[in-house]
Amino acid sequence: DQQVKQNSPSLSVQEGRISILNCDYTNSMFDYFLWYKKYPAEGPTFLISISSIKDKNEDGRFTVFLNKSAKHLSLHIVPSQPGDSAVYFCAARKAGNMLTFGGGTRLMVKP
Amino acid sequence: EADIYQTPRYLVIGTGKKITLECSQTMGHDKMYWYQQDPGMELHLIHYSYGVNSTEKGDLSSESTVSRIRTEHFPLTLESARPSHTSQYLCASSEGHSYNEQFFGPGTRLTVL
Repeated sequence: DQQVKQNSPSLSVQEGRISILNCDYTNSMFDYFLWYKKYPAEGPTFLISISSIKDKNEDGRFTVFLNKSAKHLSLHIVPSQPGDSAVYFCAARKAGNMLTFGGGTRLMVKP
Repeated sequence: EADIYQTPRYLVIGTGKKITLECSQTMGHDKMYWYQQDPGMELHLIHYSYGVNSTEKGDLSSESTVSRIRTEHFPLTLESARPSHTSQYLCASSEGHSYNEQFFGPGTRLTVL
């Protein structure tokens, strides 16, 4: 039973445009959500997070939106840059700081 | 920048061999984790530790074992490797508080022939 789903395995965007990566979850006990970025042959690196008591968190070019009623979150990257090309994982936290990860979305930003 | 290290980065080994994947962090983090990831798939938690002498199994059943004798060290051992163990293994750590992101090592890509 996959509790965190990223339904788009890949996304291609032109440089300078907006990238929107989506994530859905099923467990209402998740109280904290994170996005990680992963380059090939490297471990994931933390990008941005949001608590379940908020609906938006912004950090530079990255903004995460949370819709609790829909159990949906999204990551917006504006403007997209070629260096943003990577696999993005959505993760949801439950008690004890255990993370449940989605399957990832591969973002390709074309120059 | 996270200071968490994994060795080896790549390992190709024959069936039946015993292997140990090393993970060390220099941040003094209490919590450490092992994840398994197959290509294009989600990361699955296989082991975690809240501190020295504490180890627990994660969501995904694994034939591997772990130990936590020192805060900074969290090795994973497979007593008898099989082709089904072929995967990427990622180690992570986090501080003791609840709302802290996990820092990941670079991973070990294991191939069992």
